[in-house]
Amino acid sequence: SYELTQPPSVSVSPGQTASITCTGDKLGNRYASWYQQKPGQSPVLVISQDSKRPSGIPERFFGSNSGNTATLTISGTQAMDEADYYCQAWDGSTAVVFGGGTKLTVL
Amino acid sequence: EVQLVQSGAEVKKPGESLRISCKSSGYSFDRYWITWVRQMPGKGLEWMGRIDPDDSDIKYGPSFQGHVTMSVDKSITTAYLQWSSLQASDTAMYYCARHSVTAPGAPFDFWGQGTPVTVSS
Repeated sequence: SYELTQPPSVSVSPGQTASITCTGDKLGNRYASWYQQKPGQSPVLVISQDSKRPSGIPERFFGSNSGNTATLTISGTQAMDEADYYCQAWDGSTAVVFGGGTKLTVL
Repeated sequence: EVQLVQSGAEVKKPGESLRISCKSSGYSFDRYWITWVRQMPGKGLEWMGRIDPDDSDIKYGPSFQGHVTMSVDKSITTAYLQWSSLQASDTAMYYCARHSVTAPGAPFDFWGQGTPVTVSS
């Protein structure tokens, strides 16, 4: 089965750039999406189709995908960006796959 | 405004049956697939499967095939997720979400608020 691997946690200082990776076999050949989930809330789509920002998502969120790795980059990270982040892709057959999630801490 | 509104919290005993719902509004219900996602306490997101409201075509995730049933009622723009015999391991938050386009790899652009399900004797 297809798997997506994320680091369990990433820390960043306010105003700095945070990068969260998502690794899967030939992931660059598939579209990757990213979701933000804050405690007690539903996930929110922040990046679709590797790098597209849905309406209302701040420009500081940026996505890329190449080779085996998709990356979510948050520039000028703010305290409000502290959340869990999940990558998502399709396995090429019938199933959607989520990464295990990364807890972003802004300290 | 697109909205997915889920039914309320459930507390059940092992072996009981359950159906939870996801009411869609603000868009053409039969044009967008609905997906269900499980989140166990303190854990990550797991894709359970999706249903096409237009023809009720269903794809279940490998871990959920045979354990849950998805359905829709187009007349009331509502999707359902049901269990015939709950287990304690079904304790989780369940989300419905809309595929942004009708494609298996499409991202989920709108989500319900979640339905917490607790299964305990």
